Amino acid sequence: AIQMTQSPSSLSASVGDRVTITCRASQGIRKDLGWYQQKPGKAPKLLIHDASSLQSGVPSRFSGSGSGTDFTLTISSLQPEDFATYYCLQLYDYPWTFGQGTRVEVK
Amino acid sequence: EVQLVQSGAEVKKPGESLKISCKGSGYSFSTYWMAWVRQMPGKGLEWMGSIYPGDSDTRYSPSFQGQVIMSVDKSLSTAYLQWRSLKASDTAMYYCARTMVRGIPACFDSWGQGSLVTVSS
Repeated sequence: AIQMTQSPSSLSASVGDRVTITCRASQGIRKDLGWYQQKPGKAPKLLIHDASSLQSGVPSRFSGSGSGTDFTLTISSLQPEDFATYYCLQLYDYPWTFGQGTRVEVK
Repeated sequence: EVQLVQSGAEVKKPGESLKISCKGSGYSFSTYWMAWVRQMPGKGLEWMGSIYPGDSDTRYSPSFQGQVIMSVDKSLSTAYLQWRSLKASDTAMYYCARTMVRGIPACFDSWGQGSLVTVSS
């Protein structure tokens, strides 16, 4: 199975900060990657699909980049509603696998 | 509007069977893959598998193959996740999620609200 390694596992940031989360695949996955945001007690929400395509309705401060094995989710200016846990998901090969998550906390 | 409505919370004993459901509305149920995702208490997301309602083609994660059964009833626009014999380690929140592209497995853009399953003696 393809392993997805996210880093960091958690980070502390302030409103207005630029935040970067990375995801590394154990083998090349082209651009078959999505990014999700999950808030406590809620279902995950799709932010980015195909590594860099912004999902409809998602604020433009979220962006994704990368292909092959290395991917990045960037929040250009962190807003109060962005404190949450973020997961990457590879859909290149079965079994699909999530990263272990990155918790973004208030500094 | 696409909606996925899951069945309610369940409390079961080890060894009991269970079937939870996910009813889709607002779209052509038969033509979008549906996935199931587990989240154990305080833990991350795990893809369990996906099913295509049109022909019941099913892909399981090896971690869940043989442990659960995915099925659909197209006439009811409902997907199911079933256990024949629950274990305490099955205690988790289970989400159904619809893929965003008709006919092919893809990112999940719509999620159910989750079904909490608690297995305890």
